[in-house]
Amino acid sequence: DGGITQSPKYLFRKEGQNVTLSCEQNLNHDAMYWYRQDPGQGLRLIYYSQIVNDFQKGDIAEGYSVSREKKESFPLTVTSAQKNPTAFYLCASSIGQAGNEQFFGPGTRLTVL
Amino acid sequence: DAKTTQPPSMDCAEGRAANLPCNHSTISGNEYVYWYRQIHSQGPQYIIHGLKNNETNEMASLIITEDRKSSTLILPHATLRDTAVYYCIVSRSYNTDKLIFGTGTRLQVFP
Repeated sequence: DGGITQSPKYLFRKEGQNVTLSCEQNLNHDAMYWYRQDPGQGLRLIYYSQIVNDFQKGDIAEGYSVSREKKESFPLTVTSAQKNPTAFYLCASSIGQAGNEQFFGPGTRLTVL
Repeated sequence: DAKTTQPPSMDCAEGRAANLPCNHSTISGNEYVYWYRQIHSQGPQYIIHGLKNNETNEMASLIITEDRKSSTLILPHATLRDTAVYYCIVSRSYNTDKLIFGTGTRLQVFP
């Protein structure tokens, strides 16, 4: 089946630890995105990548880092510099041209204790 | 970047049409209107998008006014499974699919 996978679904970490969230897609999409969602709020863009080995900051990139070494993978690291890391994290991918839909993964709910 | 305005919540009886409005008065000529929905604790799901013309697919219809300042998403026969938050989004850039999600409309379909 084609799609986007995120793992794990729930993740717990202690404050001060870095944590990396996984996002894999087998849709052969060029563009990938990371969003954050807080309770009762819409999604906010963290980082996006239009092509391998290239990525840009979104609206709330501080405290996060990404890499795009392979077309199918776009891991997100939540660093200890992120002041409020507890949130629902969503990864998406698209063909990468305007007018095309984004496909979302099931999300990872991160709780920092 | 064009922003959107949606009512925070709406109700709809099962089997009836759900008409979800969206205002995007600052939309520019090359910006698309997208609709996504998000069922609780899941990733958003694409519904439909359009530029100027009305669009229809197996899920919904999108009606865009002639001046493109507003649009309406129509679910022709709402079911309980259509209960979700619906986001109206205007694309940010011509060259990418960066999307700005607001708080959307929470649609409650009741029996």
